[in-house]
Amino acid sequence: AQSVTQLGSHVSVSEGALVLLRCNYSSSVPPYLFWYVQYPNQGLQLLLKYTTGATLVKGINGFEAEFKKSETSFHLTKPSAHMSDAAEYFCAGEKSSGDKLTFGTGTRLAVRP
Amino acid sequence: DAGITQSPRHKVTETGTPVTLRCHQTENHRYMYWYRQDPGHGLRLIHYSYGVKDTDKGEVSDGYSVSRSKTEDFLLTLESATSSQTSVYFCAISESNPGTNTEAFFGQGTRLTVV
Repeated sequence: AQSVTQLGSHVSVSEGALVLLRCNYSSSVPPYLFWYVQYPNQGLQLLLKYTTGATLVKGINGFEAEFKKSETSFHLTKPSAHMSDAAEYFCAGEKSSGDKLTFGTGTRLAVRP
Repeated sequence: DAGITQSPRHKVTETGTPVTLRCHQTENHRYMYWYRQDPGHGLRLIHYSYGVKDTDKGEVSDGYSVSRSKTEDFLLTLESATSSQTSVYFCAISESNPGTNTEAFFGQGTRLTVV
């Protein structure tokens, strides 16, 4: 099964600072990868997804992620954090062979004024 | 927002009682999923459905059963609730099967507490 690992269960940044949330995957088959965001007391919503082709993926709210096959990584970044970015972020993956979607354990992002 | 409604949104129940959670969709999506969310575990798949009366187990299916008699409704039943089933439960839907890079849409969640 697709395995997705998120490094760091909690990340804290200052408002205006770079956001970097890490995700690594393990797979012998090129995967489909997703980042979801969960705001307090809400369900998950899609930030962005990786398809074959362009390795730099742009999502909503200024987030982007880069697929690096050599590093088996799909880290999420945002150049300048905003207070409204405080949420929990989940990396998820699935194989193109039809395996089910697998989630990482999540990273809670705090943004300091 | 995708039309997904979970009910109830909050429930407190006693150990040993049966509990049914409902997921209702208005999107006519074929695939429906039940996940549980626990600190340190992320979201784990309990059961999923790929059509009316077609269901299969996920990675944490013990103690749970599901039914899907209509496209729009997917029920999750805890046959005899235990404290380890205290969790937040999310329903999700998708238009196509996993492995086709299709977005999953999530409900608002049901917070279940078993005392």
